[in-house]
Amino acid sequence: GENVEQHPSTLSVQEGDSAVIKCTYSDSASNYFPWYKQELGKRPQLIIDIRSNVGEKKDQRIAVTLNKTAKHFSLHITETQPEDSAVYFCAAIISYNTDKLIFGTGTRLQVFP
Amino acid sequence: DAGVIQSPRHEVTEMGQEVTLRCKPISGHNSLFWYRQTMMRGLELLIYFNNNVPIDDSGMPEDRFSAKMPNASFSTLKIQPSEPRDSAVYFCASLEGTEAFFGQGTRLTVV
Repeated sequence: GENVEQHPSTLSVQEGDSAVIKCTYSDSASNYFPWYKQELGKRPQLIIDIRSNVGEKKDQRIAVTLNKTAKHFSLHITETQPEDSAVYFCAAIISYNTDKLIFGTGTRLQVFP
Repeated sequence: DAGVIQSPRHEVTEMGQEVTLRCKPISGHNSLFWYRQTMMRGLELLIYFNNNVPIDDSGMPEDRFSAKMPNASFSTLKIQPSEPRDSAVYFCASLEGTEAFFGQGTRLTVV
């Protein structure tokens, strides 16, 4: 079935360290993989995405990688800062006739000063 | 555009009562999604519409849940009768291309 698994569920790092969140997807029709950040009490917002024809994408301190063969994708945050503390969701868009957007279960990242 | 608008922001109701959550998507967005957020399950997709037509409601947990989209600017999610385990934050999101824009959510508490 259609499923996105995400781990870890919680992640604590020291300011300045790197953080990595990993996801796997099941449906081969998935062709787009966004990442959303949700700060406490707020709505999820898109921070970065990657398409299935790309292996890696970088935007300042965040990067995403995709391994289509293994159906794995990951979010990497370098030089973490306290304001990076939030819940991060990976997601996949499954395209048949319409686009179905499904999310992982989320990772609560805490960055300690 | 004011973005995706959901109402109410908070709802407290007694078990057994009917609850209706409302969503106004961003004008021009063709797809609308309803999600339920809990600590254990993250963002669960309940149902989504494309051009006002329900495409996939396989995530709707039970017959107590129903959703409608009578026109391009309005959707409702109804729970009847409500139960304490329905307590969660319910998000509506509309899709432009591949980016989803979320409403502020409705925090539902069923006591």
